[in-house]
Formats: sequence, structure tokens, C-alpha cells
Amino acid sequence: AQSVTQLGSHVSVSEGALVLLRCNYSSSVPPYLFWYVQYPNQGLQLLLKYTTGATLVKGINGFEAEFKKSETSFHLTKPSAHMSDAAEYFCAATYSSASKIIFGSGTRLSIRP
Amino acid sequence: NAGVTQTPKFQVLKTGQSMTLQCAQDMNHEYMSWYRQDPGMGLRLIHYSVGAGITDQGEVPNGYNVSRSTTEDFPLRLLSAAPSQTSVYFCASSYRDPPGESPLHFGNGTRLTVT
Repeated sequence: AQSVTQLGSHVSVSEGALVLLRCNYSSSVPPYLFWYVQYPNQGLQLLLKYTTGATLVKGINGFEAEFKKSETSFHLTKPSAHMSDAAEYFCAATYSSASKIIFGSGTRLSIRP
Repeated sequence: NAGVTQTPKFQVLKTGQSMTLQCAQDMNHEYMSWYRQDPGMGLRLIHYSVGAGITDQGEVPNGYNVSRSTTEDFPLRLLSAAPSQTSVYFCASSYRDPPGESPLHFGNGTRLTVT
């Protein structure tokens, strides 16, 4: 069965440090890939998405992700963390013919002053 | 723009009671879905719909019913609530069927407690 794995349920970084949140998908067929962010007591918002074409995808709030087919990965990065980045982040995958979107279990990002 | 609207925001039920969680979208989206969010488990798909009159089961459909009589509305019914249904429920919609590269738009959630 297809799945999305997020390594690390909780990541803590210092303000100004690099943010790296890991996501791997299990499929020989490259899916469409998404990163969503959830702030406390809110629904999920789209950060960025990969469909086809350029493997480095830029999103909102300075985040970007790189699709690596050979590693079946779609890790999320931000060069310099800000306090406002504290939230939960979800990686998700879907396929062109599928009506089901698969989510990872989420990574909570904390920012230390 | 209203987007995806969920009501109520909070609900407390006793075991065995029934209720309906409402979801409405004003974006003319074909695809609508319900997820539950539990700590450490991410979002799990309960039911989804690819258009009016068409629904299908997701990962965790037991204990829940849905219908889609209009494009805009996709209510989720709990026929006999159980403590295991204590969760945060999200409705999400997407422009296309199947969603493919089209992202999901989420409501703000309903926090349900079953005692």
C-alpha cells in the first residue's frame, strides 16, 4: 500500500537556524506531493506542491522542497527559522487517477528563541 | 470568500447519541472529503465524494455515514457516538475529481468529545 512517512514527530530548532523536515513516499510511480502547515486550532493550509517539471519547489513563507525520485523523498527546508514558523507540518501524496490523498503523521516544529 | 465552512466548532456528546457535522463549500469544488485527526496519527480519511450523489469509503469509515445531495454540502453523520470517535474532524474540498495535482482546501475543524 502507498504511504507517506515523516521522520521525526517533533523537531526543535533555534530562531535563525536551518529548518529541515523529512518526508518519504512509497511508490515506484512519482506522485503529486504537497506540504501543508497547521497552526493551532486551525485547518491545514497549503505551503507548496510538486506536480511535474522543476524538482525544487518554492512555497510561501520562505519554505521550499526538493523532489528526489531516486530517494523517494520530498524534504521541506527553510534557511532561517522564524518564531512564526512554529506549527505542525504535514506531507501528503496523491496520484493522477486516485481519489485518495495520503497524509504523513505530521511533524511539530518548535522554534527556540 | 467563505471557502470551506464547518459547524459546529465544538461538540460534546454522550455515548450512543447521534449528530451531524456540517460542511459547506462555496468554490464549486467537485471533490469533498472528511478526515479525522488524532495525535500521532496524522489525518485519516473517513469518507469522500467525487460529485453530487457519489460517495465512497476512506480508511476509517466505520461508525460514520455521509451523503452528497448538492455540490456545496457534505454532512458527516455519527449514528451512535462512541468514545473512540473523540477527535478533531476536518472537511476538505478540491476543485478536481480526482484531486491529482489540485490541492485540498480545509475547514477549521470540529472538535468532538464523546463521554
